[in-house]
Amino acid sequence: KNEVEQSPQNLTAQEGEFITINCSYSVGISALHWLQQHPGGGIVSLFMLSSGKKKHGRLIATINIQEKHSSLHITASHPRDSAVYICAINSGGGADGLTFGKGTHLIIQP
Amino acid sequence: DVKVTQSSRYLVKRTGEKVFLECVQDMDHENMFWYRQDPGLGLRLIYFSYDVKMKEKGDIPEGYSVSREKKERFSLILESASTNQTSMYLCASTIAGTYNEQFFGPGTRLTVL
Repeated sequence: KNEVEQSPQNLTAQEGEFITINCSYSVGISALHWLQQHPGGGIVSLFMLSSGKKKHGRLIATINIQEKHSSLHITASHPRDSAVYICAINSGGGADGLTFGKGTHLIIQP
Repeated sequence: DVKVTQSSRYLVKRTGEKVFLECVQDMDHENMFWYRQDPGLGLRLIYFSYDVKMKEKGDIPEGYSVSREKKERFSLILESASTNQTSMYLCASTIAGTYNEQFFGPGTRLTVL
């Protein structure tokens, strides 16, 4: 079974700081997802990637397939970025569901 | 705008009751999933379905069953609710294919007393 490890579990930073959240997994994957969950429960997909790098606004996601590692970066962080960020993987086909990391609770202080 | 809806945001039930959680998606997605989310454990897959009337067990199916009679609707059933099933339940859907973005519902916070 594929294990997904995220670090750090909790992160508090000042507004404007560069944020990095890490994710590693134990066996090969077909895709890796970064998700965002705000208080209240709703989960939104930020990125889905199987190689390289993707950028959306101030968010950047990278993946290194050989090292089985992915990072999510937030540039010029803002209090509205405060949320739980979750790494998840597809090990098999898309119908198999995701395996999740435990999440990183990010707080950005003004 | 794509949408996954769940029948209740909050639900309180008693031990031994039969509980139905319903999920509806309006995107004509083939695949639907039920997850539960617990502090310290994260999200875990309970059951999934890749077609009408098809279902597959996920990582933690014990104590649950599912029903998918129509493509847009996927129900999670707790046959006899227990206190250890107190949790946040999230439904998700995605189109068929190797891997695709999953769309999540808002979640149902279930408390079993």
